[in-house]
Formats: sequence, C-alpha cells, structure tokens
Amino acid sequence: AQSVTQLGSHVSVSEGALVLLRCNYSSSVPPYLFWYVQYPNQGLQLLLKYTSAATLVKGINGFEAEFKKSETSFHLTKPSAHMSDAAEYFCAVTRNTGGFKTIFGAGTRLFVKA
Amino acid sequence: KAGVTQTPRYLIKTRGQQVTLSCSPISGHRSVSWYQQTPGQGLQFLFEYFSETQRNKGNFPGRFSGRQFSNSRSEMNVSTLELGDSALYLCASSEERTDTQYFGPGTRLTVL
Repeated sequence: AQSVTQLGSHVSVSEGALVLLRCNYSSSVPPYLFWYVQYPNQGLQLLLKYTSAATLVKGINGFEAEFKKSETSFHLTKPSAHMSDAAEYFCAVTRNTGGFKTIFGAGTRLFVKA
Repeated sequence: KAGVTQTPRYLIKTRGQQVTLSCSPISGHRSVSWYQQTPGQGLQFLFEYFSETQRNKGNFPGRFSGRQFSNSRSEMNVSTLELGDSALYLCASSEERTDTQYFGPGTRLTVL
C-alpha cells in the first residue's frame, strides 16, 4: 500500500530564509511523487513531479525537490522564501496501474514572516 | 488549452438533499478523478472515471456516485446529504498513460 507522511503541519520562515518542507513516502513500486501548492479557496497547482528521470527535480516558483530512495524521502526546498509562497503544500504519490489513484499527505501550511 | 473547470464553485444545501457537481476536463483528457478535501480528513480520493467507466473507487459510502459522459465531462452526485459532507470537492483530469493530474478550482459545498 502507498502512503505519504508530511512532517510538520505548520512551518514558519522569515522572508529570504530557506524553505524546507518534509515528505516521506511508502510505496511497493517505484513511485510517481508530486508536490502541489494550494492557495486559499483555490484548487491544487502542480509545483513539480518525480518520475524517475532525475533525482533532483526543479519546479515552478524556484522550488525543487530531491528524491532519496534510501531515505524514502522527497523533501521540498526553496533557497529564499517570498511572501507569496505562503500557502498549503501537499506531497502526493500517484499510482497509474489500471487507473489513477493519488494519495496525499496531510499538508504543510507555510507561513512567511516579513 | 483551457484548464479543468468545475461548476458551480459554491453550493449551499440542507441535510437530506442531494447535489450534483460538474467537471469539464482539459480537452483531450479522458481520465477524470474526484477528491474530497476537509480540514479533518484532508484530501481523500473518491473515484476515477475513464471512457465512461469507473476504474477506481475510494472508501466512501454509496451515497457518493459519479458518471462520465462520452465527451469526458463528469458529474458527481451526493444523495441524502449529511453535515459531514461539507467540503471542497476537487476534480482532476489527465491523459492516458501519463502520470500527471491537473486539478480544477473545486466546488465548495456547505451542508446546513
């Protein structure tokens, strides 16, 4: 069975500081891993995805994530936080064998202090 | 291409009523999935349709049902609404044999 664990329901950083959002996954097969961002009253926007081509994945808005199989992790980072990064972030694992099914983590709300 | 659209965006119903939500996928996408998002349970998978057939189903009661039309548009129906059905319902579409789903803005359902 697949599962996703996001460590920390809330993360607060100062503007300009490093952003690190943690995600660990469990999957019996090579996973497709995703990070999504959700702004208030909006749907999910794809930030980046891992599909086994490269372990370091670059996404939109300066975010990147590194897939570490030995640690079963897919942490999201951004070198310098911006006020506009304040949102909720979801890590997800997708299975596409005979149909899509995505399992989401509980989400991490990112606060950015001026 | 236009993105995934969902209608209506907001809906208020009372307990015991039924509701139908609509989702139009990105042009060319034949897979449509539905998710329920609540503060307590987070994002949970409801079901997925492909070519008018349900391929996957999550752990929701039979009051939750869906269908897909020949143009890939999908509807989700919830009968005998309960207070706990208040949630943001998200629809996502994807192309076959890809790994990426694209999400719509959601329908906010409030049950009073």
